[in-house]
Amino acid sequence: EDKVVQSPLSLVVHEGDTVTLNCSYEVTNFRSLLWYKQEKKAPTFLFMLTSSGIEKKSGRLSSILDKKELSSILNITATQTGDSAIYLCAVEGYGGSQGNLIFGKGTKLSVKP
Amino acid sequence: NAGVTQTPKFRVLKTGQSMTLLCAQDMNHEYMYWYRQDPGMGLRLIHYSVGEGTTAKGEVPDGYNVSRLKKQNFLLGLESAAPSQTSVYFCASLAITGELFFGEGSRLTVL
Repeated sequence: EDKVVQSPLSLVVHEGDTVTLNCSYEVTNFRSLLWYKQEKKAPTFLFMLTSSGIEKKSGRLSSILDKKELSSILNITATQTGDSAIYLCAVEGYGGSQGNLIFGKGTKLSVKP
Repeated sequence: NAGVTQTPKFRVLKTGQSMTLLCAQDMNHEYMYWYRQDPGMGLRLIHYSVGEGTTAKGEVPDGYNVSRLKKQNFLLGLESAAPSQTSVYFCASLAITGELFFGEGSRLTVL
């Protein structure tokens, strides 16, 4: 059974801190790993990582895929209150059916002023 | 370009009633998904479809049915609603780039 586990489940930091969020997975025939940010409504896309693209960076956010360890990290440097959100990791693996895209439970990040 | 549109956005049902959530996307995506989101549970996959006329079960399919008669529409049905189905439901479609586009969500309450 495909599985995605995120840690920690929640995190409280102060503005300016650097945080690292973790995502580990067990899927059959891994295809891609996706990171999303969810504030009040629907999740918004951050990064997609695949075997051919294991590192992505956008501003203060960066992510790395470790295919050997079956995991990924999402780093946020110089955090701001606007970074407060739930961060979701999703993995697409073929498993028994193509297109199976499952999410972890998310990490709730709270950034205090 | 509307993206992914879900209707209705809010609904209150009584136990045993039936209803259908409609998801429409105008991006010509092949893959579409229905998720439910409950506090502390992340997004759990109910059913998904890899193309018109196809559907597959996700992690939590019991109590739900789906249909994909047209490529742009993915319907989620509850035949006999139960309080445990109180949740926020998200529809999504998957671009060829790998990005998942979400609708705004539908909040369902079953009394």
